[in-house]
Amino acid sequence: QLVESGGGLVKPGGSLRLSCAASGFTFNSYGMNWVRQAPGKGLEWVSFISASSNYISYTESLRGRITISRDNAKNSLYLQMNSLRAEDTAVYFCARDRQEYLGTYFDLWGQGALVTVSS
Amino acid sequence: QPVLTQPPSVSGAPGQSVTISCTGSSSNIGAGYAVHWYQQLPGTAPKLLIYLNTNRPSGVPDRFSGSKSGTSASLAITGLQAEDEADYFCQSYDRSLNAVFGGGTKLTV
Repeated sequence: QLVESGGGLVKPGGSLRLSCAASGFTFNSYGMNWVRQAPGKGLEWVSFISASSNYISYTESLRGRITISRDNAKNSLYLQMNSLRAEDTAVYFCARDRQEYLGTYFDLWGQGALVTVSS
Repeated sequence: QPVLTQPPSVSGAPGQSVTISCTGSSSNIGAGYAVHWYQQLPGTAPKLLIYLNTNRPSGVPDRFSGSKSGTSASLAITGLQAEDEADYFCQSYDRSLNAVFGGGTKLTV
């Protein structure tokens, strides 16, 4: 399973670090993602990190303000978010990546961490 | 704006069938990338429902089926049950955008 933590209320311009603890599978064999969902809205892919951290990608709208990382020894995934804006308010899900020749999909999701950006 | 287009809502009576469409473009679905579907029950995380266009993960009833043609895909649900009431999202891969989602379709039973 995947369990997120670290969400909360933060002021505009502030920072937050989300964590995702993995269990029940070989964490260091899978790429991982962050996906977010603004209140009442759809899903938006945020970032991907490969199993060995040698490949990282970000959605263009957040590039420069977020950093994804992982610690395979601790079976944990992280998302550092800086310069937060009101429009970053969302539930942030971590999701396990399944790469196939025909594209990628997400076969295991955490319960989500709510990030609220407000003064 | 979501990259993939879905109808905002569909509805059906118990026992009936519904279909949810997902329309993309030549840089995602039309480029040959597979379509995947997720079910999100109220207040919960998304759950993988269909992967690689037509495949069901273990535990997903065969009432759920997926198909793909050209730049579009569809999710069909037969024998509707009350517990099927949820939001459904399609997802694919885009050459320039990485993973992309549809805006979601709310199914009312």
